[in-house]
Amino acid sequence: QVQLQESGPGLVKPSETLSLTCTVSGGSISNYYWSWVRQPPGKGLEWIGYIYYSGSANYNPSLKSRVTLSVDTSKNQFSLKLTSVTAADTAVYYCARERAAAWFDPWGQGTLVTVSS
Amino acid sequence: QSALTQPPSASGSPGQSVTISCTGTSSDVGGYNYVSWYQQHPGKAPKLMIYEVSERPSGVPDRFSGSKSGNTASLTVSGLQAEDEADYYCMSYAGGNTVIFGGGTKLTVL
Repeated sequence: QVQLQESGPGLVKPSETLSLTCTVSGGSISNYYWSWVRQPPGKGLEWIGYIYYSGSANYNPSLKSRVTLSVDTSKNQFSLKLTSVTAADTAVYYCARERAAAWFDPWGQGTLVTVSS
Repeated sequence: QSALTQPPSASGSPGQSVTISCTGTSSDVGGYNYVSWYQQHPGKAPKLMIYEVSERPSGVPDRFSGSKSGNTASLTVSGLQAEDEADYYCMSYAGGNTVIFGGGTKLTVL
């Protein structure tokens, strides 16, 4: 069965760029959409964006100016870059497989990223 | 985009049924049959419970069911069990290749 694992720095300084990678195992990254979702501590879920294995991407309008998603099919990985971060970007970041551009399954275990100097 | 509206909390006794609502607009919930529901236990990743309004993934107990009327979707948990205590989030396709989540509902089993 497909499993996802997020990786990247757990601490990022304000104004810098947050970079995370999601590694897909147990299946191919091809022919699917892949998403990022975040959850600030004690708060709800927020969709960040999704990318098709071919590289086309769609973003949450509220984050679009700061987000870039990319995919590396040779490594079965996709990545998130979020620029100019502030404390408000502190959250657990999840990657997930998106089905029919409409639901997420499965999800990675999530990784906490703290924005602090 | 504003988050879909869910009640902050819901509760029920073991064996009872509880329904959680998720209200949006004609641009999201009411416009598409792409509402999904997720269960999240503390410190864990969300888990898909319902997709396409009322479809249940393999392995999800049939105690969980979904429905939709107009701009409001609902998740019903029948025969409540202690392990159902968790946060529940709805999500809807919102057009323009975007999706939107609800604010979440904390379900307490009394």
